[in-house]
Amino acid sequence: DGGITQSPKYLFRKEGQNVTLSCEQNLNHDAMYWYRQDPGQGLRLIYYSQIVNDFQKGDIAEGYSVSREKKESFPLTVTSAQKNPTAFYLCASSRARGSDEQFFGPGTRLTVL
Amino acid sequence: DAKTTQPTSMDCAEGRAANLPCNHSTISGNEYVYWYRQIHSQGPQYIIHGLKNNETNEMASLIITEDRKSSTLILPHATLRDTAVYYCIVSRSGGGADGLTFGKGTHLIIQP
Repeated sequence: DGGITQSPKYLFRKEGQNVTLSCEQNLNHDAMYWYRQDPGQGLRLIYYSQIVNDFQKGDIAEGYSVSREKKESFPLTVTSAQKNPTAFYLCASSRARGSDEQFFGPGTRLTVL
Repeated sequence: DAKTTQPTSMDCAEGRAANLPCNHSTISGNEYVYWYRQIHSQGPQYIIHGLKNNETNEMASLIITEDRKSSTLILPHATLRDTAVYYCIVSRSGGGADGLTFGKGTHLIIQP
């Protein structure tokens, strides 16, 4: 089945450790996105990528890093510089700019202890 | 992107039509109205979008006022599985360079 895979669904880390969240899509989409969601809130854009080897900061990029070495993969690293990393992280993809919709993965819930 | 205003929560009886309003009084001429929904602890799901004409698909209908300052999402026969948070978003494109701006949305609760 075509879609977006995020793993793991739940992730626990100690404070001060970097952690990388996986996002893979087999939809042949050019664009990929990372969002963060806090309890009771909407989604906020962290990073986006319109094409391989290129990505742009979103509204809340501080403390995060990404890479886009392959079209189907867009991993997100939550660094120790992120002050409040505990959140629900969502990855999305879409066809090239101007696409009608974004397709979302199931999300990864990160808890930093 | 323009901002939207939605009620925090709404109830609807199962089997009835659910009508979810959205105000977007500062929408620009080239901005679309998109609706997504998010079932608890899952990723958002696209529902429908439109520019100025009313739109219908297998999930819902979208009614946009003539001045485009507000819209209504209609779920014609709500079921318990339609309980979710519904987001109204205005954007120049769904997959634009700046992503989508999700507000807090409307928590729709379908009552049995």
